[in-house]
Amino acid sequence: ETGVTQSPTHLIKTRGQQVTLRCSSQSGHNTVSWYQQALGQGPQFIFQYYREEENGRGNFPPRFSGLQFPNYSSELNVNALELDDSALYLCASSLGPLATDTQYFGPGTRLTVL
Amino acid sequence: SQQGEEDPQALSIQEGENATMNCSYKTSINNLQWYRQNSGRGLVHLILIRSNEREKHSGRLRVTLDTSKKSSSLLITASRAADTASYFCAVTQGGSEKLVFGKGTKLTVNP
Repeated sequence: ETGVTQSPTHLIKTRGQQVTLRCSSQSGHNTVSWYQQALGQGPQFIFQYYREEENGRGNFPPRFSGLQFPNYSSELNVNALELDDSALYLCASSLGPLATDTQYFGPGTRLTVL
Repeated sequence: SQQGEEDPQALSIQEGENATMNCSYKTSINNLQWYRQNSGRGLVHLILIRSNEREKHSGRLRVTLDTSKKSSSLLITASRAADTASYFCAVTQGGSEKLVFGKGTKLTVNP
């Protein structure tokens, strides 16, 4: 176990709806990264938050947004859901924002958009 | 877009055999990491190798990096059924700290 938790485990939404996914990082980890993993693919970087500020973003539209809170929790929000948003969403916490800081992944939230 | 490409896509071996997976990438990297993922769940960091390193070991894992060929290999020796998982390489490039993952190799170790 990595000590990183995510909720909910599974979620079903319909196209056009909005969703909030939650992540609880390891205590002391001030960096959280979010990834989208489509079936049969590797994870794709969505964005990273460091000390509650966005610290890098991948090729995802603005309808993907996030928040990081002082209590080591964070959120990923997706507006106007599309069918292609169906995927496993992973968060990963680390001590710092560098790639050499080991990332500890949560078990993921599987989102299905109908 | 995905930078690392693992090869083979799938690998099936018997317990006790060695498993070798390869990763190729397109442009210069800062470092390369290998991760394991069981049954579509969270990833587990295995090992990081920097661009100026050629080989690293961790337990039954051996990773090599050939920057001239833009490739890396992960060797798991004396495999066990518990090694059954998908294995991903991830690279960082340029001034970016973000990880770019490949599509992974699905390893099955038969008891």
